[in-house]
Amino acid sequence: DSGVTQTPKHLITATGQRVTLRCSPRSGDLSVYWYQQSLDQGLQFLIQYYNGEERAKGNILERFSAQQFPDLHSELNLSSLELGDSALYFCASSLTGTGLGYTFGSGTRLTVV
Amino acid sequence: DAKTTQPTSMDCAEGRAANLPCNHSTISGNEYVYWYRQIHSQGPQYIIHGLKNNETNEMASLIITEDRKSSTLILPHATLRDTAVYYCIVRVANNAGNMLTFGGGTRLMVKP
Repeated sequence: DSGVTQTPKHLITATGQRVTLRCSPRSGDLSVYWYQQSLDQGLQFLIQYYNGEERAKGNILERFSAQQFPDLHSELNLSSLELGDSALYFCASSLTGTGLGYTFGSGTRLTVV
Repeated sequence: DAKTTQPTSMDCAEGRAANLPCNHSTISGNEYVYWYRQIHSQGPQYIIHGLKNNETNEMASLIITEDRKSSTLILPHATLRDTAVYYCIVRVANNAGNMLTFGGGTRLMVKP
């Protein structure tokens, strides 16, 4: 157990729908990062939050949004889902914003049918 | 962040040392070398990092050349559970961007 909790582990939904992925960071970590990994593809950085505020944005679609709550857990919202959104979504956390010692969760596997 | 070049894939016999190379010829003086690995469909796992001195921990050793343009991750006694994709990442420890940028990595296959 890495200490980063992601729920749900698996999600199957239809095109056009909206889903929410949840991430609880490791205790004490202030930064949360979201990554997308499509089948046999690399890890693509989506977005980072630090202590409740957006810190950096990567290749995140406009249909996707995220937030980090006062208790530091984060949610990634994916809307108007398309088949191509099927992927593993990973959350990582770190203590500071420096990126040292990233800890990744086990991911949410999203399947859009 | 400096760009890295790694072989696409490597094989290693179980029980032997696995030596995974990484070239980072454009590395800057304040950039660290990080290694992560991803076992099939699991979240990436931090292995080790270093600036210029060789580093060792319970998982691996990191050898950085004197000119810092390349490095080698060494798994001293590879097991089947070490089969994974290994990522070499070079970045400034305190840059404002903060996120880790993953390249293609090296797919290590440990064979019995």
